[in-house]
Amino acid sequence: DIQMTQSPSTLSGSVGDRVTITCRASQSISSWLAWYQQKPGKAPKLLIYKASSLESGVPSRFSGSGSGTEFTLTISSLQPDDFATYYCQHYYIYPLTFGGGTKVEIK
Amino acid sequence: EVHLVESGGGLVQPGGSLRLSCAASGFTFSNYAMSWVRQAPGKGLEWVSGFSDSGSSTYYADSVKGRFTISRDNSKNTLYLQMNSLRAEDTALYYCAKVTRTGTSIFDFWGQGTPVTVSS
Repeated sequence: DIQMTQSPSTLSGSVGDRVTITCRASQSISSWLAWYQQKPGKAPKLLIYKASSLESGVPSRFSGSGSGTEFTLTISSLQPDDFATYYCQHYYIYPLTFGGGTKVEIK
Repeated sequence: EVHLVESGGGLVQPGGSLRLSCAASGFTFSNYAMSWVRQAPGKGLEWVSGFSDSGSSTYYADSVKGRFTISRDNSKNTLYLQMNSLRAEDTALYYCAKVTRTGTSIFDFWGQGTPVTVSS
């Protein structure tokens, strides 16, 4: 099975900061990677698919990059609504796996 | 509008069984692959099981293989998860999720989840 490792596990930031979250796959997954945002008590929300494609309705301050085994999610200017937990997910092959999550907290 | 409503969760003793249901509406259910994803209390997301696009193939996480069975009834627009030989580590909120489009395994709509607690 493909393992997905996210770092950091927690990130503290202020409104307006540029933040980057990394996700590494245990083997190459080409660009078959998605990013989700989850807020407490809510279901996850799809942000990015195919490593860098922005899901409809998602603000342009979110961007994704990478291919192969290393990927990043960047928030160009952190907004109050962005404090949440972020997960990567590969969809290269079954079984699907998620990263462990990165909690973005208010500094 | 897409709606996914899970039900069937509850408290069960170790070794017991539960069947979860996910009632879908607002889209052509038979055209979309569906999955179950769970989240243990305070923990991350774990994909559990899913259907292929055609519905002819099913897939499972190693942690549930041989114990859980996914099924669907397209005439009732309902997804199921039969869970047998339950363990304490299966305690989680179970979400059903719809793929965004044919040929992908990423999820654009999720239910609100149904909680499963395995405890004596």
